[in-house]
Amino acid sequence: EPEVTQTPSHQVTQMGQEVILRCVPISNHLYFYWYRQILGQKVEFLVSFYNNEISEKSEIFDDQFSVERPDGSNFTLKIRSTKLEDSAMYFCASGTDSNYGYTFGSGTRLTVV
Amino acid sequence: AQSVSQHNHHVILSEAASLELGCNYSYGGTVNLFWYVQYPGQHLQLLLKYFSGDPLVKGIKGFEAEFIKSKFSFNLRKPSVQWSDTAEYFCAVTPYNNNDMRFGAGTRLTVKP
Repeated sequence: EPEVTQTPSHQVTQMGQEVILRCVPISNHLYFYWYRQILGQKVEFLVSFYNNEISEKSEIFDDQFSVERPDGSNFTLKIRSTKLEDSAMYFCASGTDSNYGYTFGSGTRLTVV
Repeated sequence: AQSVSQHNHHVILSEAASLELGCNYSYGGTVNLFWYVQYPGQHLQLLLKYFSGDPLVKGIKGFEAEFIKSKFSFNLRKPSVQWSDTAEYFCAVTPYNNNDMRFGAGTRLTVKP
């Protein structure tokens, strides 16, 4: 069964550093998403991406965040200057449309120290 | 603002007990509804979904959910739980023709053997 692949599985970074979280969505999917889950809290929507542009973003997705689909297969989330409160599990997801639900990756645990 | 409420934060059951997890959403239009499960240390997996038709939907592993439009609810049920059902369960909603999924806070289910 096709999978959404995320790398790395765990990243530790110092506060103020830039991080790039990588995702390889399922190849025929058109919609791409990033969600995050702070430990013990709910899964929160960050951003959706369709047709090579952001279609919607949440209030969490401020100027420190950016997304890119650099080569037609990868989908990246960049955090420019990490803060302690960015520590969370970040999930990438992809889908054909919302009627069918999304397929989630296994997540990247980001720890900012 | 669109929101998803899961009223049970933590449910503890014995094996073979029946399960019902509540989910209510606040959105006036047509919606697509989902239940996701997150087993310990794993990623989110789709259990079942509703987008039209029979309001009683059946998913994997013996789970089902009923959409009651008048109550804005989409409760998850299973007649007889197993120890392996121990996981976190998330209800999620997307407005029709909008691909941005919003999650409930999750319900942690612990099944005692």
